[in-house]
Amino acid sequence: QEQLVESGGGVVQPGRSLRLSCVASGFSFSKYGMHWVRQAPGKGLEWLALIWYNGSNEKYADSVKGRFTISRDNSKNTLYLQMNDLRVDDTAVYYCARDIKGTDVWGQGTTVTVSS
Amino acid sequence: DIVMTQSPDSLAVSLGERATINCKSSRSLLDSSNNKNYLGWYQQRPGHPPKLLIYWASSRQSGVPDRFSGSGSGTDFTLTISSLQAEDVAVYYCQQYSSTITFGQGTRLEIK
Repeated sequence: QEQLVESGGGVVQPGRSLRLSCVASGFSFSKYGMHWVRQAPGKGLEWLALIWYNGSNEKYADSVKGRFTISRDNSKNTLYLQMNDLRVDDTAVYYCARDIKGTDVWGQGTTVTVSS
Repeated sequence: DIVMTQSPDSLAVSLGERATINCKSSRSLLDSSNNKNYLGWYQQRPGHPPKLLIYWASSRQSGVPDRFSGSGSGTDFTLTISSLQAEDVAVYYCQQYSSTITFGQGTRLEIK
């Protein structure tokens, strides 16, 4: 079945970097745009970034522009989120999601905790 | 950026009764070239990722029970659960995908 599996989360100090991965299976990954969305503890959903199906274009939320970079490797069916200069308020569950009908397939999420 | 505002923030409904959640966007989500509203509804149960219920404002995602329905056009939209079941307790979000993506703040649905 169509599946997304995130990894790479963990506990990191403020100012440090982390790279998240999202591996897709059960569908043609290279045909779809992909998103990253996060959810801070007890809060709502916040869209972060979108990458075109072929990696030719990217868009970012103002809250992460210049600090986070979305990328993909279609040969590995993998989406990435490089997060630099992390802040305490970046603490959240990070989800990847497929760009069709809005976002029709979601991963289970990976937790990032930014704390000193 | 398009701002999505849901009402109410929380809702308590008796089992078997109707639940209605509203969503208003700061700009029209209707694309006149294809007559589609770029609006979706999601259900999120505790500890789980969001689940797509409705897309194009009124199209039910495969496998979603028919007690869930969506309506509206332009800037005003509604999610209706016709007969509330215990498993429908969750937070519900509207989402616009006309211009990247933004979500409403969420509506918490509980059993009365």
